[in-house]
Amino acid sequence: AQTVTQSQPEMSVQEAETVTLSCTYDTSESDYYLFWYKQPPSRQMILVIRQEAYKQQNATENRFSVNFQKAAKSFSLKISDSQLGDAAMYFCAYRTETSGSRLTFGEGTQLTVNP
Amino acid sequence: DGGITQSPKYLFRKEGQNVTLSCEQNLNHDAMYWYRQDPGQGLRLIYYSQIVNDFQKGDIAEGYSVSREKKESFPLTVTSAQKNPTAFYLCASSRRGASTDTQYFGPGTRLTVL
Repeated sequence: AQTVTQSQPEMSVQEAETVTLSCTYDTSESDYYLFWYKQPPSRQMILVIRQEAYKQQNATENRFSVNFQKAAKSFSLKISDSQLGDAAMYFCAYRTETSGSRLTFGEGTQLTVNP
Repeated sequence: DGGITQSPKYLFRKEGQNVTLSCEQNLNHDAMYWYRQDPGQGLRLIYYSQIVNDFQKGDIAEGYSVSREKKESFPLTVTSAQKNPTAFYLCASSRRGASTDTQYFGPGTRLTVL
């Protein structure tokens, strides 16, 4: 079965500091796409960043970047210069070529940002 | 504004009743999805549709039904056969149903069974 594991149910960070959220996944396929979604208290799911598995370069979006280690099947999210608005539940997810429309999600990491 | 709308935001249902959750998008996306979220868990796929008049079961389709008569709309009916329907329901859409496409989510509906 294809799975996504987020081993940190909760994390906290001081405002302006850097935090890294972990994610590992298990798939036998070589072509897939990885995502980090953010879910603030409003419950709306917001795309943070995506990574194509065939790209060696790690994706970045402003203060958000990933460390993609394909051999280790690891896809961590780094948030730099943390802001109070970053506080949310963060979900790691992926889709494979054979799964088509199916997104497989991890159980999430609750991030708290302390002022 | 382009986006995905879900209604109602909160929904209460009595045991034995069917209820329908609305999902509309004006993004001209072909594919639409329904997910269920339980406390402390990630999202699980209920149903998805890649084209009008066609849809497929996801991982937890039992007790749910959908229709896709229009490109813009993908309503979800929670039937009385769903044993534990209290949850947060999220609708999503993507340009097509390909694995390369990013899914965008609506604001969700909180369903509570009384």
